[in-house]
Amino acid sequence: DAGVIQSPRHEVTEMGQEVTLRCKPISGHNSLFWYRQTMMRGLELLIYFNNNVPIDDSGMPEDRFSAKMPNASFSTLKIQPSEPRDSAVYFCASSTGQYNEQFFGPGTRLTVL
Amino acid sequence: KQEVTQIPAALSVPEGENLVLNCSFTDSAIYNLQWFRQDPGKGLTSLLLIQSSQREQTSGRLNASLDKSSGRSTLYIAASQPGDSATYLCAVRPTGANNLFFGTGTRLTVIP
Repeated sequence: DAGVIQSPRHEVTEMGQEVTLRCKPISGHNSLFWYRQTMMRGLELLIYFNNNVPIDDSGMPEDRFSAKMPNASFSTLKIQPSEPRDSAVYFCASSTGQYNEQFFGPGTRLTVL
Repeated sequence: KQEVTQIPAALSVPEGENLVLNCSFTDSAIYNLQWFRQDPGKGLTSLLLIQSSQREQTSGRLNASLDKSSGRSTLYIAASQPGDSATYLCAVRPTGANNLFFGTGTRLTVIP
């Protein structure tokens, strides 16, 4: 299995631009999570999906952030408009089964200038 | 809200030493606890997962213990190697929730 796949790995953009991060979970996993990691706040959950349905989006910082999961093999996290304080590493993780061990992707390092 | 603390924040040891990393959490109502490793600029690699009903899990040179009542977990690394150098994160999954609450990590350096 290829593991959780994220793209792009690095993104540099200017303030005000739209940014879309992508994630492909491990095949057969029915839960998908988006996390953000910063030096100041560590790892924080933004949103998670179960069977393609958003279950908890209380971690989404503002209306500028939105996430979708149109099918079991693809999810996007969109920031519009982006701001410098959105600069962070964004991780996607997936899990399934009784023990719910989460497996993380390599992350997308976002820099907003 | 569950809060997870890891002490120390950084640790340096000479190669070959055994070491213990600590994790504490404020709410004992957990479903499981997971230890991860993160290398610089990389994602998280799952090391061990302990269910709330378990006391410990072992994988190779790693042993993780869980004392739910006291809100503590430890990760024991035997015969440390330079390749063990990384940041180690513990994460707690509360009962009834799917999400994980992460500690701030312990940055480990094993000196050759």
